[in-house]
Amino acid sequence: DADVTQTPRNRITKTGKRIMLECSQTKGHDRMYWYRQDPGLGLRLIYYSFDVKDINKGEISDGYSVSRQAQAKFSLSLESAIPNQTALYFCATSDSLTGSRAFFGQGTRLTVV
Amino acid sequence: AQSVSQHNHHVILSEAASLELGCNYSYGGTVNLFWYVQYPGQHLQLLLKYFSGDPLVKGIKGFEAEFIKSKFSFNLRKPSVQWSDTAEYFCAVSSYSGGGADGLTFGKGTHLIIQP
Repeated sequence: DADVTQTPRNRITKTGKRIMLECSQTKGHDRMYWYRQDPGLGLRLIYYSFDVKDINKGEISDGYSVSRQAQAKFSLSLESAIPNQTALYFCATSDSLTGSRAFFGQGTRLTVV
Repeated sequence: AQSVSQHNHHVILSEAASLELGCNYSYGGTVNLFWYVQYPGQHLQLLLKYFSGDPLVKGIKGFEAEFIKSKFSFNLRKPSVQWSDTAEYFCAVSSYSGGGADGLTFGKGTHLIIQP
């Protein structure tokens, strides 16, 4: 089983709809991250969480919200999806005690039409 | 704020050619440096990382990278590439602040195509 699991893997949604992307991990890591990948732009950090009570905005948080339901779960929400949020979204985890190597999920391809 | 610059967006090489992908970062403090690879249709995987010690680090699949602090660089190299190295390569940096590591900052990626 994958250490970092994202659901769904693919999603097509309409403009204005609310959508939630979920991430769960079995690594036991305290830190979790949401990134989006766009062609030519690499990965950009949306939100990150250092523990259950800690949520931080990343580089491009506008239009997104997150919830850290438990140490192992970190969900990303688009309250009202728009077409320029079409992208590949990655969840990642890292362990603050052993360094900042990140483990990534397999990605969620989101298309907003 | 830290930033990462990858010099080449697209690189096309023939099999057995030598590879060097450039990466420069801007940050004045202690950093950890990474190279990730994304094969077509797959998620990112760690190729190699530098935390401290020997500035020449070796990773999986014959890749290596050299950290040159004075040049703020962390270039990725491979002496002889294979067709299976076709992928997107990302350089990334994380900085240390307040006793812990922050999120990763990625470069925009280099799309490497190896021709048979």
